[in-house]
Amino acid sequence: EADIYQTPRYLVIGTGKKITLECSQTMGHDKMYWYQQDPGMELHLIHYSYGVNSTEKGDLSSESTVSRIRTEHFPLTLESARPSHTSQYLCASSGGIAGDYNEQFFGPGTRLTVL
Amino acid sequence: GQNIDQPTEMTATEGAIVQINCTYQTSGFNGLFWYQQHAGEAPTFLSYNVLDGLEEKGRFSSFLSRSKGYSYLLLKELQMKDSASYLCAVGGGSYIPTFGRGTSLIVHP
Repeated sequence: EADIYQTPRYLVIGTGKKITLECSQTMGHDKMYWYQQDPGMELHLIHYSYGVNSTEKGDLSSESTVSRIRTEHFPLTLESARPSHTSQYLCASSGGIAGDYNEQFFGPGTRLTVL
Repeated sequence: GQNIDQPTEMTATEGAIVQINCTYQTSGFNGLFWYQQHAGEAPTFLSYNVLDGLEEKGRFSSFLSRSKGYSYLLLKELQMKDSASYLCAVGGGSYIPTFGRGTSLIVHP
């Protein structure tokens, strides 16, 4: 079982609020990712990181920021939430040394609703 | 960039065999992944192909032809719990996978 955690699992907030979605993994993986997924749709890459102090933007501009100060922690921050940010946010990591280097392990997701 | 195409939905009968196809166009190729995603849950890894040929793992097999930009996932002895979305993802030059929309598989009794 993958050791990757996300909090909160569900969040309902008002427009304009600043929020941070937490993601932590205990597998020592160097790569971490944030995806956004609407029901029945593909995963869109928002941000990714190759390691500590490395962050890159993905294909989807979601007006969010990330940081990678520690290997195990990759939080996603929305400075001012809007209804268009309502979606499921999935965190993933990869980089295992046991022959599964490219396999992505996903957290359970955060379902965000912005009113 | 990458373009990934897979059928939107498939149906099959319990105990049968089903093949889910995926075609892709990519600049740079570093492997093809298949993930399973049950409704409301996170994707879970099924297979990774980087060389041409068939990889078998229990009831699931995955095939890759790099020259044709083509892969398929083969599910044997279907069970009701196999009803899920199956995501094809292609690793590009940066090793970051790009996901297709997924194929929703419905298994009937």
